[in-house]
Amino acid sequence: KAGVTQTPRYLIKTRGQQVTLSCSPISGHRSVSWYQQTPGQGLQFLFEYFSETQRNKGNFPGRFSGRQFSNSRSEMNVSTLELGDSALYLCASSSSDYGYTFGSGTRLTVV
Amino acid sequence: SQQGEEDPQALSIQEGENATMNCSYKTSINNLQWYRQNSGRGLVHLILIRSNEREKHSGRLRVTLDTSKKSSSLLITASRAADTASYFCATDAGGNNRLAFGKGNQVVVIP
Repeated sequence: KAGVTQTPRYLIKTRGQQVTLSCSPISGHRSVSWYQQTPGQGLQFLFEYFSETQRNKGNFPGRFSGRQFSNSRSEMNVSTLELGDSALYLCASSSSDYGYTFGSGTRLTVV
Repeated sequence: SQQGEEDPQALSIQEGENATMNCSYKTSINNLQWYRQNSGRGLVHLILIRSNEREKHSGRLRVTLDTSKKSSSLLITASRAADTASYFCATDAGGNNRLAFGKGNQVVVIP
């Protein structure tokens, strides 16, 4: 069974630009969550999608958005990038109360 | 303090020794999970313990949960160099499909 796939693995963007990250969950998993990891703030919940609907949202500004497609693949978008958005962005999929499977992450560097 | 917060430790142990990490949380939980992360890559799910369980084993891992003290511990027995990683606890309050992570414990196993 293929794991959670995140693309791209690395990104370098300039302040003010926007970026789109992609996540393909494990086949059959309908819930996709996104987390941001930084040295200062640790792992923080961004949002969670289930059947194309955002069910939960963390405490992030509106520049952070996401969506989920009918095949459960998810994308997150960050507009007007700031230096502080540099982080490892992790996606996780789950199917039940069993734990989450995380992807390898996308490391975003904003310069 | 943040829910799912480990005692901030950086453990350095010899191969073959046991490693113990602790985690405390603040609110009621549905379950508590432990994850491992190698060198800033994705999180690997290790073990999940439900709120009505007190102890759980998985291979060389032993997790305990004390809901009266709102704390958990992870024991890795007979450590190996490959256990070198950061370990995170995460709480799931249930019903909102989001994990609250602690700051993590860095464990270095010296061969």
